[in-house]
Amino acid sequence: QQQVKQSPQSLIVQKGGISIINCAYENTAFDYFPWYQQFPGKGPALLIAIRPDVSEKKEGRFTISFNKSAKQFSLHIMDSQPGDSATYFCAASMETSGSRLTFGEGTQLTVNP
Amino acid sequence: NAGVTQTPKFRVLKTGQSMTLLCAQDMNHEYMYWYRQDPGMGLRLIHYSVGEGTTAKGEVPDGYNVSRLKKQNFLLGLESAAPSQTSVYFCASKSSGANVLTFGAGSRLTVL
Repeated sequence: QQQVKQSPQSLIVQKGGISIINCAYENTAFDYFPWYQQFPGKGPALLIAIRPDVSEKKEGRFTISFNKSAKQFSLHIMDSQPGDSATYFCAASMETSGSRLTFGEGTQLTVNP
Repeated sequence: NAGVTQTPKFRVLKTGQSMTLLCAQDMNHEYMYWYRQDPGMGLRLIHYSVGEGTTAKGEVPDGYNVSRLKKQNFLLGLESAAPSQTSVYFCASKSSGANVLTFGAGSRLTVL
């Protein structure tokens, strides 16, 4: 049973455009929501994260929007660049679970030049 | 600073063979995790450890065993490999006071 659902599975965006990836979760006990970025042949690396006490967090071109009532959160990449082409994973965890992350299915983003 | 190192990077096994994947971290992290990554399924937690000498089951533990005899090492064993265990395996670690996982580069395992 997938507790974190991610969409779309793949996304193609033109350089300079906005990339939007969405995630929905089921467990209301989740209290930490990170996004990980993975380049081919590499392990995932933390990109940005949010806690449910805020509705938005921005770091450079990357923004997380969080909707607690809808149990949804999304990643927005502004001014997308070819170097952003990677697989993106949303995830969620509970402080009391040993910080075990439950990952979404992943989104393969391609930014065309 | 090497971070998280996984060995081997690639391995091909025949059905029924056994093998061990080694994860080593040099960051003095307490927590260590083994995930498997399959297309369209994200990363799924196999086993994890919150400290030396402790292990616990994750989402998909069947067919795998682990050991954490030393704080810096976390071993993942397959006693009798099956084609369904063909996957890319990732080890990760983190300190007890942080949320950020540091991942290794992965180990690609093919079971024929």
